[in-house]
Amino acid sequence: SAVISQKPSRDICQRGTSLTIQCQVDSQVTMMFWYRQQPGQSLTLIATANQGSEATYESGFVIDKFPISRPNLTFSTLTVSNMSPEDSSIYLCSGVEGISFGYTFGSGTRLTVV
Amino acid sequence: GQQLNQSPQSMFIQEGEDVSMNCTSSSIFNTWLWYKQDPGEGPVLLIALYKAGELTSNGRLTAQFGITRKDSFLNISASIPSDVGIYFCAGQLGNKLTFGTGTQLKVEL
Repeated sequence: SAVISQKPSRDICQRGTSLTIQCQVDSQVTMMFWYRQQPGQSLTLIATANQGSEATYESGFVIDKFPISRPNLTFSTLTVSNMSPEDSSIYLCSGVEGISFGYTFGSGTRLTVV
Repeated sequence: GQQLNQSPQSMFIQEGEDVSMNCTSSSIFNTWLWYKQDPGEGPVLLIALYKAGELTSNGRLTAQFGITRKDSFLNISASIPSDVGIYFCAGQLGNKLTFGTGTQLKVEL
């Protein structure tokens, strides 16, 4: 299965600033997704990253707050904009190859906003 | 968003014991997946189930896709210390996964 790398692995940011998280897959994946995992909680889907077009956001998540890019089949970025302490979470990238539906996850980016 | 109800929320068991956890939903899913997450890591896929009624094993792990397509269970036999972690079920419909609330497993030596 694909191996997914995320950068940075963790960061501490000032409120009001923005952070861009990178997700690199070692092979082409048909679909890429971004999840948020708040402390001690489950995973919540933020959006589906679409290659070459605007991401598809889930209810409660908007493009202005979480702009996403996916320029090719192996790379995507998620930006957390105008951060507040409530954005402190783990952000996880996921990819799926073909129709195998073996969703693979990166190790996550642990974000703390102070 | 929707979350799947997973129980128990946490378990504290003796090494060597068998473990059972389950996941229920008000909606049907086409695929059920079970993941394990260790601290500081992303979830790792343990078992995938693709048909209602399917029973699948992976080493000491056994999982079943409920016949109603609204539930699934995971059994771990003869637990060992490295089984410690958080286990998540996930239901798939279309291309999206919906995750369960998680079961935290702690193993006492």
